[in-house]
Amino acid sequence: QKEVEQNSGPLSVPEGAIASLNCTYSDRVSQSFFWYRQYSGKSPELIMSIYSNGDKEDGRFTAQLNKASQYVSLLIRDSQPSDSATYLCAVTHAGAGSYQLTFGKGTKLSVIP
Amino acid sequence: ETGVTQTPRHLVMGMTNKKSLKCEQHLGHNAMYWYKQSAKKPLELMFVYSLEERVENNSVPSRFSPECPNSSHLFLHLHTLQPEDSALYLCASSHDPGQGDSPLHFGNGTRLTVT
Repeated sequence: QKEVEQNSGPLSVPEGAIASLNCTYSDRVSQSFFWYRQYSGKSPELIMSIYSNGDKEDGRFTAQLNKASQYVSLLIRDSQPSDSATYLCAVTHAGAGSYQLTFGKGTKLSVIP
Repeated sequence: ETGVTQTPRHLVMGMTNKKSLKCEQHLGHNAMYWYKQSAKKPLELMFVYSLEERVENNSVPSRFSPECPNSSHLFLHLHTLQPEDSALYLCASSHDPGQGDSPLHFGNGTRLTVT
């Protein structure tokens, strides 16, 4: 069974620090990787996508992918209280046209002012 | 209006009721999805439609019946539900994954409580 594992947290970081969120996946041939942010009582919203090994930066967010280690991470620089949310890692299964997107349980991040 | 819209936002129903959840997307996407989100569990994919054809059905009980009349609208018909079906039901849409980059865009969800 294809799985996506995340530390459920809560992960607490002080305001202005770097928050590091980690995710591992079991399907070695997974191709697309996404990070979603979900505020309490709200729906998930996409914040980053990454498809190839290495780093991808977008503002204060950096996604890192290591397919050999089956590991994807999200770094949030200069963390703000508004970043406090649950972060969901999602991975697509192999195969062109695959609709199966497997989510982790999410990591709850708390940024302390 | 843009994005993915779901109605109702909240629904309380008894186990013998019949109700429907509605989803509408204004993003020009080809694929639409129903997900279930329960406390302390990952998002669970229930159904996927691509160009109004059902392409995924993840062993969902028959008391949940999806309907996709066109590429912009998706329904989830509910009948004889159980209390354990209480959850947040999320609709999402995307471009056809076969076209490459196709992340999901979610609606705000329907919070369902079965009494």
